[in-house]
Parts: sequence; C-alpha cells; structure tokens
Amino acid sequence: GNSVTQMEGPVTLSEEAFLTINCTYTATGYPSLFWYVQYPGEGLQLLLKATKADDKGSNKGFEATYRKETTSFHLEKGSVQVSDSAVYFCALSPTANFGNEKLTFGTGTRLTIIP
Amino acid sequence: KAGVTQTPRYLIKTRGQQVTLSCSPISGHRSVSWYQQTPGQGLQFLFEYFSETQRNKGNFPGRFSGRQFSNSRSEMNVSTLELGDSALYLCASSFQLGSGSETQYFGPGTRLLVL
Repeated sequence: GNSVTQMEGPVTLSEEAFLTINCTYTATGYPSLFWYVQYPGEGLQLLLKATKADDKGSNKGFEATYRKETTSFHLEKGSVQVSDSAVYFCALSPTANFGNEKLTFGTGTRLTIIP
Repeated sequence: KAGVTQTPRYLIKTRGQQVTLSCSPISGHRSVSWYQQTPGQGLQFLFEYFSETQRNKGNFPGRFSGRQFSNSRSEMNVSTLELGDSALYLCASSFQLGSGSETQYFGPGTRLLVL
C-alpha cells in the first residue's frame, strides 16, 4: 500500500535559518505529492504540490521537488520566519485512478521558529 | 469563493451518545472526504463521497457513517461514542476532474471531545 515517511520533529530553528523537512514515499505508479501546513487550532492548508517527476512546487518561499529516483519530496525554505511556526504534513494521492484519491499523510513535523 | 465550512466547530459529548457533523464544500466541488486527526494515530482517512455515493472507505468501524446530499453537502455520524473518538474531524472537498491529481481543500475541522 501507499505510505509516507516524514522527518520526525519537533524542529526548532532560529529566524532566517535554512529549513529542510524530509519526506519519502512508497507508492505504485505515479502519485501526486503535497505539502500541507496546519497552524494552531486550524485545519490543513495546501502549501504546495507536484504532480509528476521533476516538478517543483513552490509557494510563500517554500519549495519541494518531486524526485522519483529517490521517492522523495523534501520541503525547503531559505530563510524561515516566526510566522512559519506550524505543523507540516507531507501527503500523497494516487494518480490516474479516478475514484481512489484519498490522501495518505505522513506523521507531521512540528516546526518552531525562535526570534 | 468561500472555502470549506464545517459545523459545529466544537462539540462535547458523553460516551454512548451519537453525533452528527456537517460539511459544506467549496461551490462546484463534487467530492467530499472526511479525515480523523488524533495525536496518536495522526491523520486517517474515513470515507469519501461523490455524487451522493460513498466511493471509498477507510478502516473504521461501522459506527462511523456518512452521507452526501444532492447539493454536495455532507454529514458524518458517529454512533455509540467512545472516549477514543475524541479527535479533530476534518472535511476536504475537491472538484474531481478525474485526473487523480486533484487538490483537496480542507475545512477548519470540528473538534469533538467525548467524556
């Protein structure tokens, strides 16, 4: 079955530090990959996505590249801010399989940015 | 365009009671999925509805059920509540073009506490 393995947290960084949160996946075929973010007391917000190999998703300074050869989708940001403190979830969805598009999530990584 | 809305936002019930949660998807979206989020199990898929039909179901007992109406609004019901049902219940909607790379947009969730 499909699975997502995500970097264990919590992660604490100073403001303006470089961020990497690792994510690897196991899936048949060519899944779509997502990063969602959850702020305290809220639901999930889509941060970025990629639908095929070598695609790069980007948003709000965050980037992730779909690497099929390493089955990875690592999240990066060059300079984090206090407002980036949240829980980040990596997820996958099967592709070209209409009717079976449930998301499989990683365990989440709690990120705290210190001023 | 309004996002996914969920009602109520917070709910307190006692063991043995039943509860109904409601979800209104983004206008035009035809698919609604439900997820349970707990600290121990993370984000787990409950079920997905499309055109008033349940297409997918996760590994939850029969006490968990749902339905979708002709306007795509969805409800989920949990009967005979147990302490372990305390969780954040998230609803997500997508348009469903059938490509498998659909983005699911999440609501703020309903936080259920079972005493």
